[in-house]
Amino acid sequence: QKEVEQDPGPLSVPEGAIVSLNCTYSNSAFQYFMWYRQYSRKGPELLMYTYSSGNKEDGRFTAQVDKSSKYISLFIRDSQPSDSATYLCATGANSKLTFGKGITLSVRP
Amino acid sequence: DVKVTQSSRYLVKRTGEKVFLECVQDMDHENMFWYRQDPGLGLRLIYFSYDVKMKEKGDIPEGYSVSREKKERFSLILESASTNQTSMYLCASSPSSGGRSYEQYFGPGTRLTVT
Repeated sequence: QKEVEQDPGPLSVPEGAIVSLNCTYSNSAFQYFMWYRQYSRKGPELLMYTYSSGNKEDGRFTAQVDKSSKYISLFIRDSQPSDSATYLCATGANSKLTFGKGITLSVRP
Repeated sequence: DVKVTQSSRYLVKRTGEKVFLECVQDMDHENMFWYRQDPGLGLRLIYFSYDVKMKEKGDIPEGYSVSREKKERFSLILESASTNQTSMYLCASSPSSGGRSYEQYFGPGTRLTVT
């Protein structure tokens, strides 16, 4: 079983939709859960992260971790065409990150 | 703002050539990383350095080596390039302190083609 599994997508939604991006992980020792956004032909950029369980909100973005089910989610409210990108989840241990394969999101105007 | 720069955006090399990919960060970060990114396989860690002259193998180190002589610079070396090393190479850096060590900042990537 891969350490971090992410829905492969791609995902296409209309502008204004609520988007839910999800990952599962296998190692219960992970404490840090990251979301990166990668635009085409660019390097990934850190979007937000949570430590241990719970929610974290930043504007239209909410990151959620459920450690009991080993589930990581990113919600995007009122999605915009500028949100069109590849989203990568990652989990951290020993100062290193393990990434999911990424899901490409397209928000249609 | 953290800035991570990579020496080339695009590189074309022949099979068997020795290839150097350079990465420089300007935020005095202790940790530096080299990844490759391939369609369907995602980001995979090649090597990790947590201090000058210190390195640790990642998940796919075979065919690669690294050098870190100065804190701000981390080089990836392909001793004898092969076609299966055609990929996007991404460098990243992060601080070493606690949870912030997971805040990795990436460069723009080098797309390497080996023919």
